[in-house]
Amino acid sequence: TQLLEQSPQFLSIQEGENLTVYCNSSSVFSSLQWYRQEPGEGPVLLVTVVTGGEVKKLKRLTFQFGDARKDSSLHITAAQPGDTGLYLCAGIKDGRAGNNRKLIWGLGTSLAVNP
Amino acid sequence: GAVVSQHPSRVICKSGTSVKIECRSLDFQATTMFWYRQFPKQSLMLMATSNEGSKATYEQGVEKDKFLINHASLTLSTLTVTSAHPEDSSFYICSARGRQGVGAYEQYFGPGTRLTVT
Repeated sequence: TQLLEQSPQFLSIQEGENLTVYCNSSSVFSSLQWYRQEPGEGPVLLVTVVTGGEVKKLKRLTFQFGDARKDSSLHITAAQPGDTGLYLCAGIKDGRAGNNRKLIWGLGTSLAVNP
Repeated sequence: GAVVSQHPSRVICKSGTSVKIECRSLDFQATTMFWYRQFPKQSLMLMATSNEGSKATYEQGVEKDKFLINHASLTLSTLTVTSAHPEDSSFYICSARGRQGVGAYEQYFGPGTRLTVT
């Protein structure tokens, strides 16, 4: 059972289009992170959300944490070829401490933005 | 921001040999380090978690005698793949978490090491 359901798994769009990636769970998370990874490189942290209902913006990227802290979304406006990459959501389940504070990962969304 | 380095970035080794991958936190003290394995276009699979000065905790299905992890200092962890087989070929990524304040639980990732076993 995948604790963090990420969708869609693959997405191919044209430059200028908008898109949304979803990360859903039946569990409550104390924090949730979004990463972007390019081939042959490690993931790069984009944002961390910790408060239910929180919205954070990073240029054309908008991140939202659900009110119940069980889901999150990443919205990209006017996508550009440079946005191409693997987007990963990951979170720490509520109540975890110490060594149990391990990130739980979604399966990732492979985004291709065509010029 | 916090920087994590990995060395080597790419390594090719022959079947049966061992290879060591280093992970360093360059500008912060990493109390916990994580080792992941990743297949193409897939998410990260946690292999083990290590705290400085103590034995690593391995995830279910990961052979601790095959993947030796040492976290000898607050800035260095090593992963040694022993008796490597072609099926060990993969992208290995380390991550480090320091003494952060309450709230973010952020992990910082290295650039990864591409291991090819021939």
